[in-house]
Amino acid sequence: GNSVTQMEGPVTLSEEAFLTINCTYTATGYPSLFWYVQYPGEGLQLLLKATKADDKGSNKGFEATYRKETTSFHLEKGSVQVSDSAVYFCAQIKNYGGSQGNLIFGKGTKLSVKP
Amino acid sequence: SQTIHQWPATLVQPVGSPLSLECTVEGTSNPNLYWYRQAAGRGLQLLFYSVGIGQISSEVPQNLSASRPQDRQFILSSKKLLLSDSGFYLCASIRASAFFGQGTRLTVV
Repeated sequence: GNSVTQMEGPVTLSEEAFLTINCTYTATGYPSLFWYVQYPGEGLQLLLKATKADDKGSNKGFEATYRKETTSFHLEKGSVQVSDSAVYFCAQIKNYGGSQGNLIFGKGTKLSVKP
Repeated sequence: SQTIHQWPATLVQPVGSPLSLECTVEGTSNPNLYWYRQAAGRGLQLLFYSVGIGQISSEVPQNLSASRPQDRQFILSSKKLLLSDSGFYLCASIRASAFFGQGTRLTVV
């Protein structure tokens, strides 16, 4: 069935370091892919998304490219800030009978950025 | 744009007590609505989804139930809470993208 696997955390980086959080998926067909972020004490927010192969989603300095060949959607940022400390979730949308719905999430990766 | 209202934000309940979490949606009609749970150290798990009034599908057998009494209202309930029901509960409206409520952190003691 459809699933999402992302690297386990926690990930601890110094400010201005390069960030990569790996995410791979299994799916029948070509799902839309997402990265969500959960800041401390808050709900989930959409960070970026990609709806087809080779699409690149980007937001707030974060990027992820939909790679069909490797079934991956790795999240990257060139220079992290303390304010990026959060839990990051990779997700895909599983179609229900042609009407999109049901996000399938990875387990989340906690990122801590130290000043 | 949609807004998902979810309350309460935090809740501490004794084992065996009932539960009712409410979620309401603004800015759309006939949404597909979902309840997710995030348990400590685990990812987000889909509990229930609903594609319309009175239509509930359960993904995982739980000590919980859900109801959709109105188009933009989705309720998560339990008759008797267990310790294992503790976690962070999220309501979501999902089609091409997803909108989430702020979540309810439930601690069963």
